Amino acid sequence: EAGVAQSPRYKIIEKRQSVAFWCNPISGHATLYWYQQILGQGPKLLIQFQNNGVVDDSQLPKDRFSAERLKGVDSTLKIQPAKLEDSAVYLCASSRPQQGGETQYFGPGTRLLVL
Amino acid sequence: AQSVTQLGSHVSVSEGALVLLRCNYSSSVPPYLFWYVQYPNQGLQLLLKYTSAATLVKGINGFEAEFKKSETSFHLTKPSAHMSDAAEYFCAVSAANTGNQFYFGTGTSLTVIP
Repeated sequence: EAGVAQSPRYKIIEKRQSVAFWCNPISGHATLYWYQQILGQGPKLLIQFQNNGVVDDSQLPKDRFSAERLKGVDSTLKIQPAKLEDSAVYLCASSRPQQGGETQYFGPGTRLLVL
Repeated sequence: AQSVTQLGSHVSVSEGALVLLRCNYSSSVPPYLFWYVQYPNQGLQLLLKYTSAATLVKGINGFEAEFKKSETSFHLTKPSAHMSDAAEYFCAVSAANTGNQFYFGTGTSLTVIP
C-alpha cells in the first residue's frame, strides 16, 4: 500500500511570493489533514477535510493560506503572500474510520524556507 | 479539549541503557494516545497507540508504553537503546468527541551515546 505522497520536498522562496504544496493521501482514506511544524515544535493542525468538505480550519490563517480538496482525493495548500514566519515543515496526513481512534498516516513533508 | 505535555525536550542515554520518554495528557473524556517517531527530514511514523483495549501497549522497534489513568500518563519506554533510536519523539492525544483531532506535544529529542 502506497503511503501519503507530498511534493515538493523542499521549497525556497522570498517573502511576499506565493507557494503551493500538493498531497496525495493513502487510497481510500476519506480524511486528510494539513499540519504546520515549526522547528522545535510539535505539528499544529491547519485544516482537516472529510472527503471534499472542510471539517475544521479554525487555525488556518485565512488571510494568506488556502487549501482545497476538490475531488475528495488529493489536496493543495497555498500560501500567498508568504511571510518569514511561514518557514516550517508542512505535513500532510490521512486517516480512515476505525474503531478505537483513527490513526493518522503522515507524508514526508515539504520543508519551506522563506527568505 | 485535550492537551499533551512532554517533559524533557532533550533526553540522552547510553547505548544499551533504558529509554524513558515522558508524556502526560489532559482529557475530559477517555482519550486515545499515540507515540510517533520522526527521523531527520522525514514524516511522522506511528510507534504505538492506546485505544483502551490494554493498558500496556507494545509497538514497533521494541518500544512500549503504559497508560496510567490515575497519573494521566503515557510514558514511552525501551529496555535497551540502539543508535538507530536517535530521533524526535512526539506524543499525541485525540478523542472521539473532537473529531479525532490530534493534539501533539512539543516533542522529545533522543540522543543515544555510543
